[in-house]
Amino acid sequence: KAGVTQTPRYLIKTRGQQVTLSCSPISGHRSVSWYQQTPGQGLQFLFEYFSETQRNKGNFPGRFSGRQFSNSRSEMNVSTLELGDSALYLCASSLGSTLNYGYTFGSGTRLTVV
Amino acid sequence: GQSLEQPSEVTAVEGAIVQINCTYQTSGFYGLSWYQQHDGGAPTFLSYNGLDGLEETGRFSSFLSRSDSYGYLLLQELQMKDSASYFCAVRGPRRSNRKLIWGLGTSLAVNP
Repeated sequence: KAGVTQTPRYLIKTRGQQVTLSCSPISGHRSVSWYQQTPGQGLQFLFEYFSETQRNKGNFPGRFSGRQFSNSRSEMNVSTLELGDSALYLCASSLGSTLNYGYTFGSGTRLTVV
Repeated sequence: GQSLEQPSEVTAVEGAIVQINCTYQTSGFYGLSWYQQHDGGAPTFLSYNGLDGLEETGRFSSFLSRSDSYGYLLLQELQMKDSASYFCAVRGPRRSNRKLIWGLGTSLAVNP
């Protein structure tokens, strides 16, 4: 079966611009979560969606937003980009919203803000 | 606040056994998972402990003690390919709306 697909793989944006990243989960998976990963900072939790509802949100400013569609595909948006937003953004999907299902991660979108 | 603590780096030699600990600062968390991430790759799911005790999957075992808010990942018969970062993750207590919490990761270097 196809894995978690994230598009685009690489992105270069200018400070002040906005960006939308896309995540297509594994077919049948209803839970999608997003993470920001920078060297030395591990996985910083952004949001978690289950059946189009945001279940949880991490400690990120309001410039970071997301949504999930009825087909479980998810998007995240970052407005007014800052240099510090440069990172690898990972999406993960799971059958359910509990840890025992295990999350499958996509390869990520590497965002560079210049 | 709620956080997970893991050692930042661990070094071992091929064939050895290594234990990576994960402690949670606040009680009431739900389950403990472990993920492996090779440089440039995506994290991959290794194990899940919902109850206290040891779970074994091949060379890897994971342990959980909910009363101690403590768990560990045990890697046996280390191989060079085990060099990677290992992350523990829990789902926080009900009062946090069961928010996902991740450790900062442990970088394991396996030397010949």
